[in-house]
Amino acid sequence: TQLLEQSPQFLSIQEGENLTVYCNSSSVFSSLQWYRQEPGEGPVLLVTVVTGGEVKKLKRLTFQFGDARKDSSLHITAAQPGDTGLYLCAGGETSGSRLTFGEGTQLTVNP
Amino acid sequence: NAGVMQNPRHLVRRRGQEARLRCSPMKGHSHVYWYRQLPEEGLKFMVYLQKENIIDESGMPKERFSAEFPKEGPSILRIQQVVRGDSAAYFCASSLFPNRDTEAFFGQGTRLTVV
Repeated sequence: TQLLEQSPQFLSIQEGENLTVYCNSSSVFSSLQWYRQEPGEGPVLLVTVVTGGEVKKLKRLTFQFGDARKDSSLHITAAQPGDTGLYLCAGGETSGSRLTFGEGTQLTVNP
Repeated sequence: NAGVMQNPRHLVRRRGQEARLRCSPMKGHSHVYWYRQLPEEGLKFMVYLQKENIIDESGMPKERFSAEFPKEGPSILRIQQVVRGDSAAYFCASSLFPNRDTEAFFGQGTRLTVV
C-alpha cells in the first residue's frame, strides 16, 4: 500500500510570513498533485507535477517534485488570509486509476 | 470543479436504511472516481468506473457498498443498511482520460450522517 505523509499537520502563521508544506513517501508515484480544500467543499486542484525535479510556480505558490518522485513540497510566499485552507497532496499511479491522498495540512493565516 | 455535480449535498439516514449518492461528471468525461473522507482524515479511494464498467473497486468495502455508472444518467454510489461508521463526506471526481497527466475534478461532496 502506497502512503503519503504530510507535515506539518497544522500550521498557524501571520499574514506576510512564508511557509513550506512537505509530502513524503517511500513509494514512487507517476505524478503528484496538490489540492486545496475549504470547509464543506470538494478539493480544488492547484497543480500537477509529473517529472522528477520539476518545479512549478503559481503566483505566490511554488511546487517541487523530488528527483526520485517520492516527495514533494509546497512553498507559499507572503501568505495571505485567503490562503487559509486544507492542503492535500495526492500521488497518482501509472494506470491513473486512483489517487493516494495525504492526510492534509490545515493552514491558518491570521491577519 | 463546479462542473462535477453531486447530490444531495447532505443526507441523513437512520441505521439500517439505504443511502444513494449521485454524481454527474463534467461534460465529456467518462471516467468517474469515488472517494470517502472520514472526519479528521484524508480522502480514501473507493472505486473507479467508466461508462457501464467497474474498472477498480479495490477500495470498496466488501459488503453493503456498490457503485454503477450507467450508459445514461449519473454514477450512483449505494450503501445498504447504513451504520454509524458510514458517516463521512463522499466525493466524486471525473476526468477526461485515465492517465497520469489528466486532471481529476472533484464535486462538492455528499455529507452522509447516519443517526
